[in-house]
Amino acid sequence: GDSVTQMEGPVTLSEEAFLTINCTYTATGYPSLFWYVQYPGEGLQLLLKATKADDKGSNKGFEATYRKETTSFHLEKGSVQVSDSAVYFCALRSNSGAGSYQLTFGKGTKLSVIP
Amino acid sequence: NAGVTQTPKFQVLKTGQSMTLQCAQDMNHEYMSWYRQDPGMGLRLIHYSVGAGITDQGEVPNGYNVSRSTTEDFPLRLLSAAPSQTSVYFCASSYKGQSGNTIYFGEGSWLTVV
Repeated sequence: GDSVTQMEGPVTLSEEAFLTINCTYTATGYPSLFWYVQYPGEGLQLLLKATKADDKGSNKGFEATYRKETTSFHLEKGSVQVSDSAVYFCALRSNSGAGSYQLTFGKGTKLSVIP
Repeated sequence: NAGVTQTPKFQVLKTGQSMTLQCAQDMNHEYMSWYRQDPGMGLRLIHYSVGAGITDQGEVPNGYNVSRSTTEDFPLRLLSAAPSQTSVYFCASSYKGQSGNTIYFGEGSWLTVV
């Protein structure tokens, strides 16, 4: 079945540092890929997505590129801020079958940014 | 913009009690689903629905019931709460069709079973 593996962390960075959170996936066909963010005490918000190979999703300075050859969707940001402290989830949605009704999530990566 | 609305946000139950988590969406989405979030486990699918009158089980359905009588509402019922059901619950919805359609989440319901 479908699966997502992401760097588990926790990750602690200083403000303005470079961020990479690795995410790889296993899926049949051509899934869509997502990054969701969960701020403390809140629900999940869509951060960015990509729906086909070589697509780059971007939002709020975050970027991720859909790499089919390496089955990866790594999240990057050039300069993190304290306000980026949150838990980040990588997820996929299949384009067929029962998997198309749901997201398959990684376990989440907690990011803490210190001033 | 209401989006996906869940109630209650916090609830404490005693073992054996029953309760219903409410979920409503105002986007006319066909798909609705319930996930639970546990530390180190990510989110796991409990039940889902592809339209009014149609529901199916997800990865972790035991101990939960759902129904979908209208497009807007998708309540989750715990018939006899157990401590293992202590978790954060998220309702979600989306349009059917393409896998790129965004799945929108409610703000979560924090449930503690003592």
